[in-house]
Amino acid sequence: QQQVKQSPQSLIVQKGGISIINCAYENTAFDYFPWYQQFPGKGPALLIAIRPDVSEKKEGRFTISFNKSAKQFSLHIMDSQPGDSATYFCAASKEYGGATNKLIFGTGTLLAVQP
Amino acid sequence: EPEVTQTPSHQVTQMGQEVILRCVPISNHLYFYWYRQILGQKVEFLVSFYNNEISEKSEIFDDQFSVERPDGSNFTLKIRSTKLEDSAMYFCASREGRIGELFFGEGSRLTVL
Repeated sequence: QQQVKQSPQSLIVQKGGISIINCAYENTAFDYFPWYQQFPGKGPALLIAIRPDVSEKKEGRFTISFNKSAKQFSLHIMDSQPGDSATYFCAASKEYGGATNKLIFGTGTLLAVQP
Repeated sequence: EPEVTQTPSHQVTQMGQEVILRCVPISNHLYFYWYRQILGQKVEFLVSFYNNEISEKSEIFDDQFSVERPDGSNFTLKIRSTKLEDSAMYFCASREGRIGELFFGEGSRLTVL
Protein backbone atom coordinates (compact mmCIF):
# COMPACT_ATOMS: atom_id res chain seq x y z
CA GLN A 1 0.00 0.00 0.00
CA GLN A 2 2.97 2.28 0.50
CA GLN A 3 4.46 1.63 -2.94
CA VAL A 4 4.63 4.03 -5.82
CA LYS A 5 5.13 2.32 -9.17
CA GLN A 6 6.94 4.22 -11.91
CA SER A 7 7.43 3.55 -15.59
CA PRO A 8 9.30 3.42 -17.86
CA GLN A 9 12.63 2.58 -16.27
CA SER A 10 14.44 4.45 -19.02
CA LEU A 11 13.43 6.71 -21.84
CA ILE A 12 15.19 8.10 -24.89
CA VAL A 13 13.64 11.13 -26.55
CA GLN A 14 14.79 13.32 -29.40
CA LYS A 15 15.41 16.98 -28.76
CA GLY A 16 12.15 18.88 -29.06
CA GLY A 17 10.05 15.80 -28.35
CA ILE A 18 7.70 15.09 -25.46
CA SER A 19 8.87 12.97 -22.54
CA ILE A 20 6.17 11.19 -20.57
CA ILE A 21 6.74 9.36 -17.29
CA ASN A 22 3.96 7.60 -15.43
CA CYS A 23 3.36 6.72 -11.81
CA ALA A 24 0.68 4.82 -9.95
CA TYR A 25 -0.08 4.57 -6.26
CA GLU A 26 -2.30 2.45 -4.04
CA ASN A 27 -2.70 4.43 -0.84
CA THR A 28 -5.68 6.78 -1.23
CA ALA A 29 -4.47 8.70 1.83
CA PHE A 30 -1.62 10.19 -0.21
CA ASP A 31 -2.33 13.87 -0.79
CA TYR A 32 0.90 15.30 -2.16
CA PHE A 33 2.61 14.18 -5.37
CA PRO A 34 5.96 15.76 -6.25
CA TRP A 35 8.37 15.01 -9.05
CA TYR A 36 12.07 15.20 -8.33
CA GLN A 37 14.92 15.58 -10.81
CA GLN A 38 18.31 14.11 -10.03
CA PHE A 39 21.53 14.71 -11.92
CA PRO A 40 24.48 12.32 -11.46
CA GLY A 41 26.27 12.92 -8.18
CA LYS A 42 23.61 15.32 -6.92
CA GLY A 43 20.69 15.08 -4.57
CA PRO A 44 17.10 15.02 -5.81
CA ALA A 45 15.65 18.47 -6.44
CA LEU A 46 11.96 19.31 -6.54
CA LEU A 47 10.76 19.92 -10.07
CA ILE A 48 7.01 20.29 -9.73
CA ALA A 49 4.30 19.03 -7.38
CA ILE A 50 0.54 18.60 -7.34
CA ARG A 51 -2.16 18.03 -4.78
CA PRO A 52 -5.32 16.05 -5.60
CA ASP A 53 -7.64 19.03 -5.68
CA VAL A 54 -6.53 19.76 -9.26
CA SER A 55 -6.12 17.48 -12.27
CA GLU A 56 -3.25 19.31 -13.93
CA LYS A 57 -0.44 21.65 -13.04
CA LYS A 58 1.89 23.32 -15.48
CA GLU A 59 5.17 25.10 -14.84
CA GLY A 60 6.99 26.12 -17.98
CA ARG A 61 7.72 23.02 -20.06
CA PHE A 62 6.76 20.67 -17.22
CA THR A 63 3.20 19.46 -16.62
CA ILE A 64 1.78 17.03 -14.09
CA SER A 65 -1.45 15.28 -15.02
CA PHE A 66 -3.31 13.72 -12.10
CA ASN A 67 -6.09 11.13 -12.26
CA LYS A 68 -7.48 10.61 -8.78
CA SER A 69 -9.94 7.87 -9.69
CA ALA A 70 -7.25 5.84 -11.45
CA LYS A 71 -4.68 6.66 -8.76
CA GLN A 72 -2.20 7.68 -11.43
CA PHE A 73 -0.15 10.75 -12.20
CA SER A 74 2.30 11.57 -14.91
CA LEU A 75 5.00 14.04 -15.83
CA HIS A 76 5.10 15.54 -19.29
CA ILE A 77 8.19 17.40 -20.46
CA MET A 78 7.42 19.42 -23.55
CA ASP A 79 10.13 20.44 -26.03
CA SER A 80 12.63 18.17 -24.27
CA GLN A 81 16.20 19.45 -24.22
CA PRO A 82 19.55 17.68 -23.72
CA GLY A 83 19.84 19.54 -20.40
CA ASP A 84 16.75 17.66 -19.21
CA SER A 85 18.73 14.41 -19.30
CA ALA A 86 18.55 13.18 -15.71
CA THR A 87 16.79 10.67 -13.50
CA TYR A 88 13.24 11.58 -12.60
CA PHE A 89 11.50 10.27 -9.50
CA CYS A 90 7.85 10.54 -8.70
CA ALA A 91 6.92 10.50 -5.04
CA ALA A 92 3.89 10.61 -2.79
CA SER A 93 3.19 11.47 0.80
CA LYS A 94 0.48 12.04 3.36
CA GLU A 95 0.89 15.68 4.23
CA TYR A 96 -1.86 15.46 6.79
CA GLY A 97 -2.23 12.54 9.12
CA GLY A 98 0.39 9.90 9.80
CA ALA A 99 3.39 10.18 12.03
CA THR A 100 5.41 12.25 9.59
CA ASN A 101 5.23 13.69 6.11
CA LYS A 102 7.72 11.27 4.57
CA LEU A 103 8.08 10.92 0.83
CA ILE A 104 7.65 7.49 -0.78
CA PHE A 105 9.62 7.46 -4.02
CA GLY A 106 9.07 5.60 -7.24
CA THR A 107 11.86 3.58 -8.79
CA GLY A 108 13.06 6.36 -11.09
CA THR A 109 13.23 6.95 -14.83
CA LEU A 110 16.50 7.65 -16.57
CA LEU A 111 15.77 10.15 -19.32
CA ALA A 112 18.20 10.74 -22.16
CA VAL A 113 17.40 13.53 -24.60
CA GLN A 114 19.35 13.13 -27.80
CA PRO A 115 20.46 16.28 -29.64
CA GLU B 1 20.24 30.28 -2.00
CA PRO B 2 20.14 28.29 1.24
CA GLU B 3 21.08 24.65 0.90
CA VAL B 4 21.46 21.46 2.86
CA THR B 5 25.14 20.57 3.19
CA GLN B 6 26.51 17.12 3.89
CA THR B 7 29.92 15.80 4.88
CA PRO B 8 31.81 13.78 3.95
CA SER B 9 30.98 13.51 0.28
CA HIS B 10 32.51 10.04 0.19
CA GLN B 11 33.61 7.71 2.95
CA VAL B 12 35.20 4.31 2.64
CA THR B 13 35.16 2.12 5.72
CA GLN B 14 35.78 -1.44 6.77
CA MET B 15 32.90 -3.70 7.72
CA GLY B 16 32.17 -3.45 11.43
CA GLN B 17 33.43 0.10 11.78
CA GLU B 18 31.34 3.00 13.05
CA VAL B 19 30.47 5.79 10.65
CA ILE B 20 29.02 9.22 11.30
CA LEU B 21 27.50 11.19 8.46
CA ARG B 22 26.95 14.86 9.07
CA CYS B 23 24.38 17.27 7.76
CA VAL B 24 23.71 20.97 8.18
CA PRO B 25 20.05 21.56 7.32
CA ILE B 26 18.74 24.90 6.12
CA SER B 27 18.81 27.21 9.12
CA ASN B 28 15.10 27.90 9.69
CA HIS B 29 14.00 24.34 8.97
CA LEU B 30 12.47 22.25 11.72
CA TYR B 31 11.87 18.83 10.11
CA PHE B 32 14.82 16.64 9.25
CA TYR B 33 15.11 13.40 7.35
CA TRP B 34 17.63 10.82 6.23
CA TYR B 35 17.11 8.84 3.05
CA ARG B 36 19.37 6.39 1.31
CA GLN B 37 19.81 5.32 -2.27
CA ILE B 38 21.55 2.10 -3.15
CA LEU B 39 23.30 2.47 -6.50
CA GLY B 40 20.79 2.49 -9.33
CA GLN B 41 17.80 2.03 -7.06
CA LYS B 42 15.09 4.27 -5.64
CA VAL B 43 15.45 6.72 -2.81
CA GLU B 44 14.30 5.09 0.45
CA PHE B 45 13.12 6.76 3.65
CA LEU B 46 15.18 5.97 6.74
CA VAL B 47 14.08 8.30 9.53
CA SER B 48 12.42 11.60 10.30
CA PHE B 49 13.27 13.87 13.21
CA TYR B 50 11.40 16.77 14.74
CA ASN B 51 11.54 18.58 18.05
CA ASN B 52 14.64 16.64 19.06
CA GLU B 53 13.13 13.23 18.67
CA ILE B 54 12.51 10.61 16.02
CA SER B 55 9.06 11.03 14.48
CA GLU B 56 9.13 7.90 12.36
CA LYS B 57 11.62 5.32 11.23
CA SER B 58 11.57 2.67 8.54
CA GLU B 59 12.30 -1.02 8.97
CA ILE B 60 15.74 -0.32 7.49
CA PHE B 61 16.54 1.91 10.47
CA ASP B 62 17.43 -0.84 12.94
CA ASP B 63 19.39 -0.70 16.18
CA GLN B 64 22.63 -0.12 14.28
CA PHE B 65 21.40 3.31 13.22
CA SER B 66 20.95 6.42 15.33
CA VAL B 67 20.38 10.10 14.69
CA GLU B 68 21.25 13.10 16.73
CA ARG B 69 21.02 16.85 16.62
CA PRO B 70 23.92 17.65 18.94
CA ASP B 71 23.68 21.42 18.57
CA GLY B 72 21.48 23.96 16.84
CA SER B 73 22.85 23.33 13.37
CA ASN B 74 24.11 19.77 12.82
CA PHE B 75 22.06 16.64 12.22
CA THR B 76 24.00 13.38 12.23
CA LEU B 77 23.38 9.80 11.19
CA LYS B 78 25.47 7.17 12.96
CA ILE B 79 25.88 3.61 11.83
CA ARG B 80 27.32 1.69 14.74
CA SER B 81 28.74 -1.37 13.01
CA THR B 82 28.65 -1.10 9.23
CA LYS B 83 27.69 -4.00 6.99
CA LEU B 84 28.42 -4.49 3.30
CA GLU B 85 24.78 -3.81 2.51
CA ASP B 86 25.01 -0.36 4.10
CA SER B 87 26.96 0.79 1.04
CA ALA B 88 24.77 3.48 -0.47
CA MET B 89 24.34 7.19 -0.99
CA TYR B 90 22.85 8.77 2.12
CA PHE B 91 20.82 11.94 1.67
CA CYS B 92 19.91 14.38 4.37
CA ALA B 93 16.81 16.47 3.77
CA SER B 94 15.03 19.24 5.60
CA ARG B 95 11.78 21.11 5.48
CA GLU B 96 10.66 24.34 7.10
CA GLY B 97 7.31 23.02 8.24
CA ARG B 98 5.38 19.77 8.21
CA ILE B 99 4.26 20.43 4.62
CA GLY B 100 5.98 22.04 1.67
CA GLU B 101 9.12 21.43 -0.30
CA LEU B 102 11.64 18.94 0.98
CA PHE B 103 15.20 20.06 0.27
CA PHE B 104 17.90 17.45 -0.22
CA GLY B 105 21.63 17.66 0.26
CA GLU B 106 24.06 16.35 -2.33
CA GLY B 107 24.56 13.14 -0.39
CA SER B 108 27.32 11.20 1.31
CA ARG B 109 28.48 8.12 -0.51
CA LEU B 110 29.33 5.32 1.91
CA THR B 111 31.38 2.38 0.70
CA VAL B 112 31.76 -0.53 3.10
CA LEU B 113 34.54 -2.99 2.26
